[in-house]
Amino acid sequence: QVQLQESGPGLVKPSQTLSLTCTVTGVSISSAGYLWSWVRQPAGKGLEWIGRMFNTGITNYNPSLKSRVTISLDASKNKFSLKLSSVTAADTAVYYCARGDESSGWGLAYWGQGALVTVSS
Amino acid sequence: QSVLTQPPSASGTPGQRVTISCSGSSSNIGSNYVYWYQQFPGTAPKLLIYKSNQRPSGVPDRISGSKSGTSASLAISGLRSEDEADYYCAAWDDSLRGNVFGTGTKVTVL
Repeated sequence: QVQLQESGPGLVKPSQTLSLTCTVTGVSISSAGYLWSWVRQPAGKGLEWIGRMFNTGITNYNPSLKSRVTISLDASKNKFSLKLSSVTAADTAVYYCARGDESSGWGLAYWGQGALVTVSS
Repeated sequence: QSVLTQPPSASGTPGQRVTISCSGSSSNIGSNYVYWYQQFPGTAPKLLIYKSNQRPSGVPDRISGSKSGTSASLAISGLRSEDEADYYCAAWDDSLRGNVFGTGTKVTVL
C-alpha cells in the first residue's frame, strides 16, 4: 500500500528557508514510471503546483517560484524533499507531497495528508 | 493567478446532473490532457479524472470528463450528498513549462 507523509517545521521565520520531507512507503522512489511532486494550498484558497521530479533527476518548477525552489530525491531513505528559500507570509500554506503515475498520464494519484507551514516571526 | 478558469460554485438537488467547466488556452487544455481532483475540507485532493476522460479504479461511472478545444468539463450525474466538495481541473502548460490548476469550484447539494 502506497503512503506518503510530509514532515518538517510547522513554523518558519521570514527570509529563512522552508524545508519539508515526504517519506514514501510501499514503493521505491527510484522506480520508473513515477514522478514526485509538491503542491500547496493557502488557507481558504486554491491549489498551487510547486514542482516535480522524475526518478531520472529531471525537474520542473512553477515559474513563479523557480528561483527559490529545490526538489530532491534521497533514494537511500526513500524520501523526497522540498526547499523554498527567502520565505514570506505569502508562503504560509498547507504543503502536500504527491506521486504522479505514468499509467494515469502523470496525474497525481497518491497524496500525503498535508503539512501546515506558517511563516511568521 | 490561475490560467485555468472555473465557476466558483455549482449546485444541484440529489439525483440531478451537475457540470463544471474549465476554460484554458491553446498552451494548456488545447494541447494537453486535463485532470480533475476532488477535495473535501481539511483533506488532500483525490484524482477523479486523468487523460481528460479516464477514471481511476474506484471512481464511479456517474462521474465523467470531457474536453473540447481549449475547454474541459466534469459532469456528475445522479448527484449525491457525498459529492459536496471542491473540484479542481489541472493541465500541463507548454508555455509556462509547468502544471496549472483551475480556480476551483465548490459543489453544493441542495
